[in-house]
Amino acid sequence: GENVEQHPSTLSVQEGDSAVIKCTYSDSASNYFPWYKQELGKGPQLIIDIRSNVGEKKDQRIAVTLNKTAKHFSLHITETQPEDSAVYFCAAQMNTGFQKLVFGTGTRLLVSP
Amino acid sequence: DAEITQSPRHKITETGRQVTLACHQTWNHNNMFWYRQDLGHGLRLIHYSYGVQDTNKGEVSDGYSVSRSNTEDLPLTLESAASSQTSVYFCASSSGETNSPLHFGNGTRLTVT
Repeated sequence: GENVEQHPSTLSVQEGDSAVIKCTYSDSASNYFPWYKQELGKGPQLIIDIRSNVGEKKDQRIAVTLNKTAKHFSLHITETQPEDSAVYFCAAQMNTGFQKLVFGTGTRLLVSP
Repeated sequence: DAEITQSPRHKITETGRQVTLACHQTWNHNNMFWYRQDLGHGLRLIHYSYGVQDTNKGEVSDGYSVSRSNTEDLPLTLESAASSQTSVYFCASSSGETNSPLHFGNGTRLTVT
């Protein structure tokens, strides 16, 4: 089955810096890669996603890149703000007609003012 | 607004007791999922359902059961609680359309003493 590895487990940056979180997946059949943000005491919330027919996607300060050959994808956050502090999860899903996401182990991002 | 609610938010129980965690969604979603979240493991799938009367085992289903008698609810039962089941449990739902996002509840923190 699919296995998703995520690095780093913790990331500390200064406000205004960029942050990058990386994930690798094992199953070449996976074709959908969402990113979720989890704030303290809440459930994860989808922030951006990318499909395997696209190499990069941007939404304001966040972007995701995908390298299908290397089977890795990354989340990029520019001009970080304290409210970006949260746990971020990557995930991978195969297009089997059934919706089963496999999540990475999470990255705790701390943005210091 | 549509939402997904979990109850209780916190639960303490003793080893060997049966425990049921509630999940209720008003999205009218077909798909519902239960995950557990543990440090170093991310989110792991326990059980999932693609509609009424449909239930399926996830990767960590031992010791858990679910039932789906209507669209809105997917209760999770721990038949005989064990200390290894101390965790934060998240329920999620989705429409079932290709690559549709998961909507998570705010979780139930379960402690088994």
